Amino acid sequence: DAKTTQPPSMDCAEGRAANLPCNHSTISGNEYVYWYRQIHSQGPQYIIHGLKNNETNEMASLIITEDRKSSTLILPHATLRDTAVYYCIVRFPRGYQKVTFGTGTKLQVIP
Amino acid sequence: GAVVSQHPSRVICKSGTSVKIECRSLDFQATTMFWYRQFPKQSLMLMATSNEGSKATYEQGVEKDKFLINHASLTLSTLTVTSAHPEDSSFYICSAYPGQEGNNQPQHFGDGTRLSIL
Repeated sequence: DAKTTQPPSMDCAEGRAANLPCNHSTISGNEYVYWYRQIHSQGPQYIIHGLKNNETNEMASLIITEDRKSSTLILPHATLRDTAVYYCIVRFPRGYQKVTFGTGTKLQVIP
Repeated sequence: GAVVSQHPSRVICKSGTSVKIECRSLDFQATTMFWYRQFPKQSLMLMATSNEGSKATYEQGVEKDKFLINHASLTLSTLTVTSAHPEDSSFYICSAYPGQEGNNQPQHFGDGTRLSIL
């Protein structure tokens, strides 16, 4: 699976959009991009995933660049409950694959 | 949506005790489950892949005799930390993929088990 890089930390004002970047420059054509978040002392929570088109659900939007070498997770109106570590992962939709977590981005939403 | 349940959520026990952690897929069958360990302020580290009806596959550096994995049914995997010592204190998390093999559905995680060895 392709390796991802994310900034270690970010701050965002409550009510503003949080834009979390992820670099996956070695991504292969069939690899999907997945985003999870982990709130303190809980298991990771799935947020969204995509292949090449932009995706939106009730939690967030995922913007994938045309060359697919990077993506951005957008939380449109961040709340204090969005404070968490956000992980970007890429993997093939092939079998029940193990995935490797990077260090993620610690998002701090500020009142 | 798919739910993965872990039990117990927290365990505190004496050094030398063996501790069993259960991971259940509540509304789907999981032939494969994964066990992670997470130390404070660190990322999740994959320990092993649990396979229903066969032996688990351990990541490099993980002692298979120390961390016993049993996946006896399509909805249950257990991790037993044998003769636990303080350095085994950690947050243990399991995960599984719902749906058919080869699809793009995300894996779902349990809420984790906080293990503290005194």
